[in-house]
Amino acid sequence: DAGVIQSPRHEVTEMGQEVTLRCKPISGHDYLFWYRQTMMRGLELLIYFNNNVPIDDSGMPEDRFSAKMPNASFSTLKIQPSEPRDSAVYFCASSTRENSRELFFGEGSRLTVL
Amino acid sequence: QKEVEQNSGPLSVPEGAIASLNCTYSDRVSQSFFWYRQYSGKSPELIMSIYSNGDKEDGRFTAQLNKASQYVSLLIRDSQPSDSATYLCAVKPTGRRALTFGSGTRLQVQP
Repeated sequence: DAGVIQSPRHEVTEMGQEVTLRCKPISGHDYLFWYRQTMMRGLELLIYFNNNVPIDDSGMPEDRFSAKMPNASFSTLKIQPSEPRDSAVYFCASSTRENSRELFFGEGSRLTVL
Repeated sequence: QKEVEQNSGPLSVPEGAIASLNCTYSDRVSQSFFWYRQYSGKSPELIMSIYSNGDKEDGRFTAQLNKASQYVSLLIRDSQPSDSATYLCAVKPTGRRALTFGSGTRLQVQP
């Protein structure tokens, strides 16, 4: 089975540009999570979805961040406009309702904002 | 106070020794606890979960949980250089589906 697929793996952009990160969860998984990892703050939850519906977005840092899940097989995390402090590795993870305790992570998208 | 706290390390142990990794959490009523391993440049992967007080063993790994002290630990016996990684402690807070992670402890196993 294919795991969680994220794209792009690396993104370098300039401050003020729009960034869109993409995620395809494991087929059949009901939950999708977006996490951000930095050296200073570790792995932080940004938002998660259940059956395509956002459940908890309290970790989204500010209005510049938005996330969507238009269908069960696709989610996006958008940053507009991007700032240098957004530089981090963004992970997408998915899990099933029956085993919501185990998260399966994608390989991550490393974002650098200059 | 952070929800999940870990010593950042690095924790350095010789090959063959026991590595002991520790974690404390603040939500007293949390029920589910996890250890994830993350190699440099890679994504976290689940290695152990524990839900009840006491010890849980899986191969060279033993997870220990003490809910009264709000303390979780991971022991790695016969440490190998391939165990060198960052170990993330995670807690499932009450009423939430998402896990809260500690900042991780970097383990170095010296050959």
